[in-house]
Amino acid sequence: EAGVAQSPRYKIIEKRQSVAFWCNPISGHATLYWYQQILGQGPKLLIQFQNNGVVDDSQLPKDRFSAERLKGVDSTLKIQPAKLEDSAVYLCASSLAGRGVNTGELFFGEGSRLTVL
Amino acid sequence: QKEVEQDPGPLSVPEGAIVSLNCTYSNSAFQYFMWYRQYSRKGPELLMYTYSSGNKEDGRFTAQVDKSSKYISLFIRDSQPSDSATYLCAVSNDMRFGAGTRLTVKP
Repeated sequence: EAGVAQSPRYKIIEKRQSVAFWCNPISGHATLYWYQQILGQGPKLLIQFQNNGVVDDSQLPKDRFSAERLKGVDSTLKIQPAKLEDSAVYLCASSLAGRGVNTGELFFGEGSRLTVL
Repeated sequence: QKEVEQDPGPLSVPEGAIVSLNCTYSNSAFQYFMWYRQYSRKGPELLMYTYSSGNKEDGRFTAQVDKSSKYISLFIRDSQPSDSATYLCAVSNDMRFGAGTRLTVKP
């Protein structure tokens, strides 16, 4: 079974530029998550989708971050304009279950490492 | 107050030692508790999963949940160098993670 795919693996940009990350979850997984993991910290949930609807984006900095999950499958996370503090690994995860119940096991991709200069 | 608190360490032990990793959480409504293991430059992988209070054992790993004190623990017996990783506690239903504890097991 194919795992969660993410691209690009690495990205270096200058501040105020824009960047987009792509995620393809495991086939059949209803729920998709984007996490931000700053070096030395645990993953911070940015946004959670169930199918193509947003169920939690309370920690997403909406003035610069946006995310979409078209057709309830692939997802894109965009940052525009980027700041130095956005340097982090952006992890995508998916799970079978939905919100409000046991979310079950999250399957993570290997992440997209962003460096903002 | 953060929903999940975890001492980031780092923690260094000799091979064969017993390792104890701990987290506290704030919301008594949480029912599902998980430990994820994250190797360097990889995504986290589920290690242990516990529902409500009690213990769960899987090989050298034991997960404990004490809901009365909102405290969760992971014990690793006979630790191996291959156990060197960052261990993340997580609570459901909203999948918040602790800061992660970096563990190094020295041969």
